[in-house]
Amino acid sequence: GDSVTQTEGLVTLTEGLPVMLNCTYQTIYSNPFLFWYVQHLNESPRLLLKSFTDNKRTEHQGFHATLHKSSSSFHLQKSSAQLSDSALYYCALSAYLMSNYNVLYFGSGTKLTVEP
Amino acid sequence: GGIITQTPKFLIGQEGQKLTLKCQQNFNHDTMYWYRQDSGKGLRLIYYSITENDLQKGDLSEGYDASREKKSSFSLTVTSAQKNEMAVFLCASSGTYAEQFFGPGTRLTVL
Repeated sequence: GDSVTQTEGLVTLTEGLPVMLNCTYQTIYSNPFLFWYVQHLNESPRLLLKSFTDNKRTEHQGFHATLHKSSSSFHLQKSSAQLSDSALYYCALSAYLMSNYNVLYFGSGTKLTVEP
Repeated sequence: GGIITQTPKFLIGQEGQKLTLKCQQNFNHDTMYWYRQDSGKGLRLIYYSITENDLQKGDLSEGYDASREKKSSFSLTVTSAQKNEMAVFLCASSGTYAEQFFGPGTRLTVL
């Protein structure tokens, strides 16, 4: 079935260093939609990035990701981490099935902590 | 833009009690969802609804009922609260391309 894998449960970085959070997915469908959601402490998840175009970089609020269908990946990156980036990050997949295309398959999440 | 409201914000129940959580959205979205979030365990789908009066079970539906009587509202019932249960229940809605918008959550504590 459809699934999303985030290999790192916890990532701790020093402020100013680059961020890369891994996301790979599995689906039999050829046109997946991929999302990154961010959840700060005591808040609800909100959309950070989304893409359905192969090999096109998408950017928002200093973060970027590129959907690579050849490797089934949608890694989240940022050139320089800030203290305010500390949060829980979820990668999610929509496989656009005809019967339940609205269902998102969430990864288990990566907790990013940025230290001074 | 739009907003999702969830009531109550905090819910304290007794073991075995039936508890109801409510969600309203004014995005005019067709699809609504209920998720459960336990500390360190990510988001787990309980129920979703594609349209008014439609219900679809998620992976975690056992122990819950849901109701979608209007397009704008979606209720979740914990049929029998489990002792020492603590979780956050998140409601969401989606329009085009499955992008989901989340409500602020209801924090459940069972004594």
